[in-house]
Amino acid sequence: DQQVKQNSPSLSVQEGRISILNCDYTNSMFDYFLWYKKYPAEGPTFLISISSIKDKNEDGRFTVFLNKSAKHLSLHIVPSQPGDSAVYFCAASLNYGGSQGNLIFGKGTKLSVKP
Amino acid sequence: EAGVAQSPRYKIIEKRQSVAFWCNPISGHATLYWYQQILGQGPKLLIQFQNNGVVDDSQLPKDRFSAERLKGVDSTLKIQPAKLEDSAVYLCASSLRRGTMTYEQYFGPGTRLTVT
Repeated sequence: DQQVKQNSPSLSVQEGRISILNCDYTNSMFDYFLWYKKYPAEGPTFLISISSIKDKNEDGRFTVFLNKSAKHLSLHIVPSQPGDSAVYFCAASLNYGGSQGNLIFGKGTKLSVKP
Repeated sequence: EAGVAQSPRYKIIEKRQSVAFWCNPISGHATLYWYQQILGQGPKLLIQFQNNGVVDDSQLPKDRFSAERLKGVDSTLKIQPAKLEDSAVYLCASSLRRGTMTYEQYFGPGTRLTVT
């Protein structure tokens, strides 16, 4: 049973436009959410995170929105650049910061930004 | 700052053989993780160490997988004997821990294992 779901395996966006990547989760006890970006033949790279006590977190071109009632989060990239083309993983954690703060990952969404 | 180092980057073995992977975390990171990423899936945690002690190994197939972190720094993950379904990328990650807080995980490049 998947606790973190990324239902879109791929997304194609034009350069300069907004990219919206979505993630749903089933466990209401998750208290921390993270997005990782992965290029081929490299390990995932931390991008941005959000605590369950917030509904928005912004870092430059990247914004993560959390809707706890819908158990849904999204990553917005504005404006999208060709270098953003990668696989994006959503991850969630229980008791983040504690000894049980292990990450549960979704399957990923492959973003392609076309020039 | 040097990142998480892993070796080898690629490994091809036959089923029933054994294999070992090595990880050197970021200096000062007390927490170390091993993940398995099967093609088309997200990473799945196998084992978590805090210094040289195991915090969580509930998803480690202990009949064939073993891991150790001697002296609380480098770690090795071993598979013996390997099965076809073990073909995956094995990722090592580390994170900083101050007091009771554990911070974001930083991943190494991974080892791609192919079992034939």
